[in-house]
Formats: sequence, C-alpha cells, structure tokens
Amino acid sequence: NAGVMQNPRHLVRRRGQEARLRCSPMKGHSHVYWYRQLPEEGLKFMVYLQKENIIDESGMPKERFSAEFPKEGPSILRIQQVVRGDSAAYFCASSPKAGQPSYEQYFGPGTRLTVT
Amino acid sequence: QKEVEQNSGPLSVPEGAIASLNCTYSDRGSQSFFWYRQYSGKSPELIMFIYSNGDKEDGRFTAQLNKASQYVSLLIRDSQPSDSATYLCALLFYNQGGKLIFGQGTELSVKP
Repeated sequence: NAGVMQNPRHLVRRRGQEARLRCSPMKGHSHVYWYRQLPEEGLKFMVYLQKENIIDESGMPKERFSAEFPKEGPSILRIQQVVRGDSAAYFCASSPKAGQPSYEQYFGPGTRLTVT
Repeated sequence: QKEVEQNSGPLSVPEGAIASLNCTYSDRGSQSFFWYRQYSGKSPELIMFIYSNGDKEDGRFTAQLNKASQYVSLLIRDSQPSDSATYLCALLFYNQGGKLIFGQGTELSVKP
C-alpha cells in the first residue's frame, strides 16, 4: 500500500512565477490536508479538503494561495506570484475519515520550495 | 497562550535511558493528541495517538494524557541514537474537522 505521494520533491521558482504542488493521498483516504513548515518554525495547517470540496481553509494566506482536490487526480496547492517568504517545506497529509479522535493523518515526503 | 506548547530542547539523554518529552495545551474539548517524529530534512512520521486519560503503550513508546493538568507526554524507553530527532506534539479538535495544531517540537539527542 503506497503512502502519501507528493511531487515534485524539490521545486525552484523565481520571484513572480507560479508554483504547483501535487499530492496523491494514500489508497482509501479521501481527506487531504496541507501544512507548511517555514525554516526553523513549526508545522502550520493551511487547508483541509475532501474530493471537490474545501472544508477548512482557515490557515491559507488570503492572497496568491489556492488549493483544490478534484474528483479525479491529485490535490493541487497553487501559489501564484511567489515571493522569497514562500520558501518552505510543504507537506500533504491524508486520513481515511475525519471527525473521530483516532483518525490518524499520514504525511507525504513534502515538497521543498525555494524561491530565488 | 499558544494552543500547544513544547520545550524546544535540545533534550540530551544517554543511550539506554528513558527520554521524557512533554507538551501542554489549551483545553477546548473534544481533543486527541498525536506524537510525530521528524528527522532533519524529512517529513513527520506518526508514532502514536492518545485521547483518553491515562497511559498508552506501543513498544518502547508510552504516551500519557492528563486532562486535568492539560498535559500530554511521550516516554521513550531504552533510547537509541537512532531516536535522535525532533518530536512533535499535535492537537486535533476532532469535532471541528481534521486540522492538526502542532507544537514547536522538542529536539532529542541520544548520546552513545
């Protein structure tokens, strides 16, 4: 059973370009979460999605960031017009369900975004 | 007060000793707690979770939850150098969806 998959693993973008980060959840998991880890900082929640629905985007910056989880295909985190402060590790996690105390989230390997 | 607080460490223990990692939290009900391990440059790896008062054991790991004191801990018995990593405590308000709220993490160093 493959784990959570993310690609690319490393992404370099120049300021002003767009970054697209992809996440395929574990088989049987329909809940996807995105987290960001800035250098020397803790993990911060960004957004929680189910297929075709954004459930909680309370951690998403108001501008330039968007996320989707289409009916077919991976979840996408999109960052438009990247700035140096967007340089971070972006992790995706998935769980089989939500709303119960025991539903664990499993993390993918992350995408390390560097903005030059 | 932050919702989840951990000592950043580093915590240094000799090989074979018990490492004790602690986490305090702000109580807002319907919570469960997860411990993750993160090696430098890698992704968080789930160790275990707990949501009932008391102890929960899994191999060399024991999680302890004390809701009255708003305190959760992770004990690692027979610590090995390979346990050297950052340990993340995370809080889940499971009746509010699936958002994990992480502490800053405690860096553990196990000396041979």
